[in-house]
Amino acid sequence: QSALTQPPSASGSPGQSVTISCTGISSDVGGQDHVTWYQQHPGKAPKLVIYEVSKRPSGVPDRFSGSKSGNAASLTVSGLQTEDEADYYCSSYGGTNNVIFGGGTRLTVL
Amino acid sequence: QVQLVESGGGVVQPGRSLRLSCAASGFTFTRYGMHWVRQAPGKGLEWVAFIQNHGNLEYFADSVKGRFAISRDNSKNTVFLQMNSLRAEDTAMYYCVTENSAIIIGRFDWWGPGTLVTVSS
Repeated sequence: QSALTQPPSASGSPGQSVTISCTGISSDVGGQDHVTWYQQHPGKAPKLVIYEVSKRPSGVPDRFSGSKSGNAASLTVSGLQTEDEADYYCSSYGGTNNVIFGGGTRLTVL
Repeated sequence: QVQLVESGGGVVQPGRSLRLSCAASGFTFTRYGMHWVRQAPGKGLEWVAFIQNHGNLEYFADSVKGRFAISRDNSKNTVFLQMNSLRAEDTAMYYCVTENSAIIIGRFDWWGPGTLVTVSS
């Protein structure tokens, strides 16, 4: 099963919104709602920011939102702040007792 | 608060073995499955293995199937990753990660800081 497809980079200015896409297939992203997003700053472990497509864990700002349509999921970061500059990874339950990650997107705040 | 602390990483020659450990605290360990996720230097995340809460079911990525084993000691709140027949491509930071469920759904709520494994002659 192939990795989920993410753009390698994204950027925006402070205060703007940016959306990162994550494309899979019907047996993973399109087949259930166990789609998650992680934020990773350099040298740090990843941090969960979105689970079950659109839910935010406690402590994650509501500037982070998620959605899904068909085989594609999206993460939107609104009101960009400098601390949002990081790598973002999507993942999905793969459908056959496995988990698949996207290749990651480096978000740059200009 | 939840704490995960990995240990056991280091430099190992190709073909040799290494055993990673992860000590967990701050949550009811027996309620949750546990994963290992790795990240090669400068690369993305790769799911490696999962073990169900009572240790009765295990799943592996194709890249490690037949070479790696996962186990847990619920009396010591510890999960292990036994890595055999190591290859250069196994070089990575290995993270111990909690599942949000007893079964595998792929929601990684809590991550340890990681332990680095380098496979090199």
